[in-house]
Amino acid sequence: GESVGLHLPTLSVQEGDNSIINCAYSNSASDYFIWYKQESGKGPQFIIDIRSNMDKRQGQRVTVLLNKTVKHLSLQIAATQPGDSAVYFCAEKGRGGKLIFGQGTELSVKP
Amino acid sequence: NAGVTQTPKFQVLKTGQSMTLQCAQDMNHNSMYWYRQDPGMGLRLIYYSASEGTTDKGEVPNGYNVSRLNKREFSLRLESAAPSQTSVYFCASSEAASRLNQPQHFGDGTRLSIL
Repeated sequence: GESVGLHLPTLSVQEGDNSIINCAYSNSASDYFIWYKQESGKGPQFIIDIRSNMDKRQGQRVTVLLNKTVKHLSLQIAATQPGDSAVYFCAEKGRGGKLIFGQGTELSVKP
Repeated sequence: NAGVTQTPKFQVLKTGQSMTLQCAQDMNHNSMYWYRQDPGMGLRLIYYSASEGTTDKGEVPNGYNVSRLNKREFSLRLESAAPSQTSVYFCASSEAASRLNQPQHFGDGTRLSIL
């Protein structure tokens, strides 16, 4: 999705639990999707990406799921740690290579 | 491994002043981008440069100009700063804008306040 509003969705999880962050994207023609992590005072950091011809991709402790039918993307973080606390953005990439960023979700990990 | 370097990190301007934000990348990337990020919002593309010698408008180009000085450097200029341009500015680069599977890599931003 498009960026809307001033209040970020928030997700609070207990350390060690799994986290699921969701994102709805806007363009059914988008063919590449990226998840970024942004810590306070830092720039967005690449986490994982997925092409539209896939529905799942795994990295280290992270999994991205893509459901093109409902234009939905999710990021799963296994065994969430305090260092995972950040704002997470999804981005979709359409023709011409431009990224469109979602609003972001703030993940808070309770020790 | 510097990646994308932005200068300055912080700046305060008065309305009407001009300012150039600098960005350099050492990854030999072809494409570079300027975004702004406002509180509670995602990043919005201001301008981008698909390759050395080319620049194009993004979603919010008004009030800004850019220069792709060489393959490494891409600067953003505010000719007459306005309070609405108070924001955090991020520069990014990628191997090529048009190719798939090419994530953009970001600098740590310039925090700009205009009084």
